[in-house]
Amino acid sequence: DAGVTQSPTHLIKTRGQQVTLRCSPISGHKSVSWYQQVLGQGPQFIFQYYEKEERGRGNFPDRFSARQFPNYSSELNVNALLLGDSALYLCASSPLNANEQYFGPGTRLTVT
Amino acid sequence: QKEVEQNSGPLSVPEGAIASLNCTYSDRGSQSFFWYRQYSGKSPELIMSIYSNGDKEDGRFTAQLNKASQYVSLLIRDSQPSDSATYLCAAIRDTGGFKTIFGAGTRLFVKA
Repeated sequence: DAGVTQSPTHLIKTRGQQVTLRCSPISGHKSVSWYQQVLGQGPQFIFQYYEKEERGRGNFPDRFSARQFPNYSSELNVNALLLGDSALYLCASSPLNANEQYFGPGTRLTVT
Repeated sequence: QKEVEQNSGPLSVPEGAIASLNCTYSDRGSQSFFWYRQYSGKSPELIMSIYSNGDKEDGRFTAQLNKASQYVSLLIRDSQPSDSATYLCAAIRDTGGFKTIFGAGTRLFVKA
């Protein structure tokens, strides 16, 4: 079975720009979560979506938004990029009624 | 106080020894606990989940949970050089809004 997929793999943006990251969950998984990971730290929780509804939000500014589509894929949008948004953005999917999360390979975002 | 705390290490053990990784959490509402392994430059990989007090064994791995002490641990028996990685502890709260908190990780080195 295919795992979680994310696109793009790498991205370079300029301060003030906007970016959209995409995630496709494992087939049959209905929940998607987004994380930001900087070097030397654990992943920081941004959002969780289940059945297209937001179920949880971490301590991130309103510049961060996300949505989940009817096919359970998801997008993470970040507006007005700052240098500090440079990080690895991870998407994880979970099966129905279970909290085990399986991570995709991530999108490496560099803001210059 | 960090919500999920881990010793950053590095923890160094000889090949064949038992590696013991520890984690404490502050949110008593946390219900699910997970250990992930993350190799450098890769995304986290789920190793174990544990939901109730006691021990849970899977192959060379044993997870232990003590909710009264707010303590989670992971034992790796017969450690191999391929176990050298960063181990992340995660706690999930699924009431009053979904939230996943990761520790910063413990770096493990297994010496051949």
